[in-house]
Amino acid sequence: NAGVTQTPKFRILKIGQSMTLQCTQDMNHNYMYWYRQDPGMGLKLIYYSVGAGITDKGEVPNGYNVSRSTTEDFPLRLELAAPSQTSVYFCASRLGLKATPLHFGNGTRLTVT
Amino acid sequence: KQEVTQIPAALSVPEGENLVLNCSFTDSAIYNLQWFRQDPGKGLTSLLLIQSSQREQTSGRLNASLDKSSGRSTLYIAASQPGDSATYLCAADTGANSKLTFGKGITLSVRP
Repeated sequence: NAGVTQTPKFRILKIGQSMTLQCTQDMNHNYMYWYRQDPGMGLKLIYYSVGAGITDKGEVPNGYNVSRSTTEDFPLRLELAAPSQTSVYFCASRLGLKATPLHFGNGTRLTVT
Repeated sequence: KQEVTQIPAALSVPEGENLVLNCSFTDSAIYNLQWFRQDPGKGLTSLLLIQSSQREQTSGRLNASLDKSSGRSTLYIAASQPGDSATYLCAADTGANSKLTFGKGITLSVRP
């Protein structure tokens, strides 16, 4: 059971480039989330999804897009990368019931220069 | 808007000490409170989840308590070990689409 898998682990982008961070889970979880973690700032929610075909904005969605075509996959798209998007990105999932814990991937460390 | 605070930001203790990590939240209308552990360069691992109707949860040497009325949760670690060194984060689940609000974490160092 792999849990939540994120790729790539590291990436360096130039300003203005685009990329997709991949996230897949094999636990048949309905709810999936993208967070970014910056030093001293905690985790901020970027986007989330409550099921295939349904996505919604979190606290810091500007500069990002998501899609959820299947239950398993929840990719995060960065368009026109900016230095402010340098961060560690975490994908997470949960079954959706209130008493179920959140499962995290190991993160993608992104640097925009 | 829910705000979650963890103070202090860092803590260093000698091995064997019993310790308490604090977490406070501003909106008491939570569904549950979760504690996570994060090792350097890794994702977060769920340690304990306390539902709003519960007062505490235990797993091994860890015990988490919840007092909704005062907006506080504590994580108690018994007989700390160097392997417990990590960052511990708490998160409040206020239910709206199961979005969690995280504290900034407490970085714990247990000295041998």
